[in-house]
Amino acid sequence: ETGVTQTPRHLVMGMTNKKSLKCEQHLGHNAMYWYKQSAKKPLELMFVYNFKEQTENNSVPSRFSPECPNSSHLFLHLHTLQPEDSALYLCASSHAGPGTGDEKLFFGSGTQLSVL
Amino acid sequence: GQNIDQPTEMTATEGAIVQINCTYQTSGFNGLFWYQQHAGEAPTFLSYNVLDGLEEKGRFSSFLSRSKGYSYLLLKELQMKDSASYLCAVRDSDYKLSFGAGTTVTVRA
Repeated sequence: ETGVTQTPRHLVMGMTNKKSLKCEQHLGHNAMYWYKQSAKKPLELMFVYNFKEQTENNSVPSRFSPECPNSSHLFLHLHTLQPEDSALYLCASSHAGPGTGDEKLFFGSGTQLSVL
Repeated sequence: GQNIDQPTEMTATEGAIVQINCTYQTSGFNGLFWYQQHAGEAPTFLSYNVLDGLEEKGRFSSFLSRSKGYSYLLLKELQMKDSASYLCAVRDSDYKLSFGAGTTVTVRA
């Protein structure tokens, strides 16, 4: 248990569906992240939120829409996804955001997404 | 872009030692991390190096040479539970963190 909880663990959706991934951290951290992990590929940073403000969008297509209502919760809203978006989506948090030096990441177990 | 290289797979015997190498080419350097990820689970932090040398934590040690753009993670007295993927990640001068593709270590009895 890392203190970062993601739901659902598994999700299968069609290309026309709309779904949301949820992440919650119980560590009192101020920064939260979405990463994409595809098989045999490096983790790809998607979004960074620092004190609820989006500080990074790593050229992610608009069919992925993040939301951070407070420092403990992070959502990733999905719509009109493509089969190539099938991957493990990992949420992470850190005490402080990028550039502060204290960026040890605590990851959730991820949502395994399959787009049909 | 940043380039982080590590072997795809390694196999070792229980009780043995395994060394996972990571080489990197990044724009500047502000620290190197190692994470462990068991199948179907969250990656968990193992070590952090920002200065040259060896950092030891129990059975795990991590080494860094900034001039060579090189690090290794050393796992000693291997146990079956050490079978996992090990991720090398490097932070550049803009504090952007880039990950390698991971090394899958299989420990055999």
